[in-house]
Amino acid sequence: ETGVTQTPRHLVMGMTNKKSLKCEQHLGHNAMYWYKQSAKKPLELMFVYSLEERVENNSVPSRFSPECPNSSHLFLHLHTLQPEDSALYLCASSQVSGTGGHEQYFGPGTRLTVT
Amino acid sequence: GQNIDQPTEMTATEGAIVQINCTYQTSGFNGLFWYQQHAGEAPTFLSYNVLDGLEEKGRFSSFLSRSKGYSYLLLKELQMKDSASYLCAVMDSNYQLIWGAGTKLIIKP
Repeated sequence: ETGVTQTPRHLVMGMTNKKSLKCEQHLGHNAMYWYKQSAKKPLELMFVYSLEERVENNSVPSRFSPECPNSSHLFLHLHTLQPEDSALYLCASSQVSGTGGHEQYFGPGTRLTVT
Repeated sequence: GQNIDQPTEMTATEGAIVQINCTYQTSGFNGLFWYQQHAGEAPTFLSYNVLDGLEEKGRFSSFLSRSKGYSYLLLKELQMKDSASYLCAVMDSNYQLIWGAGTKLIIKP
């Protein structure tokens, strides 16, 4: 099994649509992340889930709604998006211990285009 | 504020050596990571430094100086497949990664 998988790989949606991005990790990790990657900009951390609880929400607009039903699955629900939300959305996972975090493993990303 | 700086783009020749620098200012420090990202693909982990000094892993080495807020990634015997973006990231006091914008490395024959 590939470590971190994401579906779909490409998504085109209108501003009035509702869609969901899915991420699954097969590494036994206890933390999962959503990032946004825009051209020539640093990766932007959107949400962090540790042990299935959301521990970080970096002032992300409410049109993005995460869901983490268990430690292996993470969703990003999208609704009424704007054209500037077009980007590569990356999911990552890591094993976080009491002494701190470790390297994150990324999925291939979903290329989102909002028309 | 928190800031990670690295050059936007670098060009090097196949077979040569290239050094990609990264400077950082963050609230706390719990290690520095380097990732490689080929166009259209996911970032993949290359190295982790938490103590000062050089970590060597095959053709790739990474150096850290915490007092200077500085790191570099050294790539030796460059191959065409090394053409990619190289991302520097620092783990802050909240154990979150703060990312640089990445350095696009172009390898010429």
